[in-house]
Amino acid sequence: QSVLTQPPSVSEAPRQRVTISCSGSSSNIGNNAVNWYQQLPGKAPKLLIYYDDLLPSGVSDRFSGSKSGTSASLAISGLQSEDEADYYCAAWDDRLNGWVFGGGTKLTVL
Amino acid sequence: QVQLVESGGGVVQPGRSLRLSCAASGFSFRSYAIHWVRQAPGKGLEWVAVISNDGGKKYYADSVKGRFTISRDNSKNTLYLQMNSLRAEDTAVYYCARETGFGTTQGHFDFWGQGTLVTVSS
Repeated sequence: QSVLTQPPSVSEAPRQRVTISCSGSSSNIGNNAVNWYQQLPGKAPKLLIYYDDLLPSGVSDRFSGSKSGTSASLAISGLQSEDEADYYCAAWDDRLNGWVFGGGTKLTVL
Repeated sequence: QVQLVESGGGVVQPGRSLRLSCAASGFSFRSYAIHWVRQAPGKGLEWVAVISNDGGKKYYADSVKGRFTISRDNSKNTLYLQMNSLRAEDTAVYYCARETGFGTTQGHFDFWGQGTLVTVSS
């Protein structure tokens, strides 16, 4: 059971938009920034979004992040087959004094 | 370019020890906190431990506290993870990851290694 809760899977057609939710509590998302990571099959994770909604250099602007209270969301627009991957949210947890991840969401582009 | 290369993984019996290494290059190693994050086969990411840039601060996940020790040698640009009393549930790919913004609200893992597989089995 992960501290941050994500849906196990989402799916959508190409060129459409999908959102992935991440639910936490006041000790993590409610009080700290959320980061999102993309993990392509067989690869290491890659930073996708940091500080709730900032894009690292080189990341497509089809990806966007948002946060409200103790929940965060990752949105992907103009879906492409190459977006098929696992997506993880993460935040520092003040109570645990450590980083916590969501369980991951597998995105399927239909 | 930034590179993190893990090594030291392998098959080990329950109760035994193993030391992982993470060799860094392409950036000022002594300026960054570095983490270990693991992923059990077919499972999600689990944070393991972090060490501050100067080694003065270390934090561990409850699941490894008292068994694992994170350390670094800034003169060798290398991070370590000493794993003792290994259990079957420690079986995972272990990644090292650089953190930008340690100790701030903007902390994030901006570069990851490719990982090294640790299998704990008799």
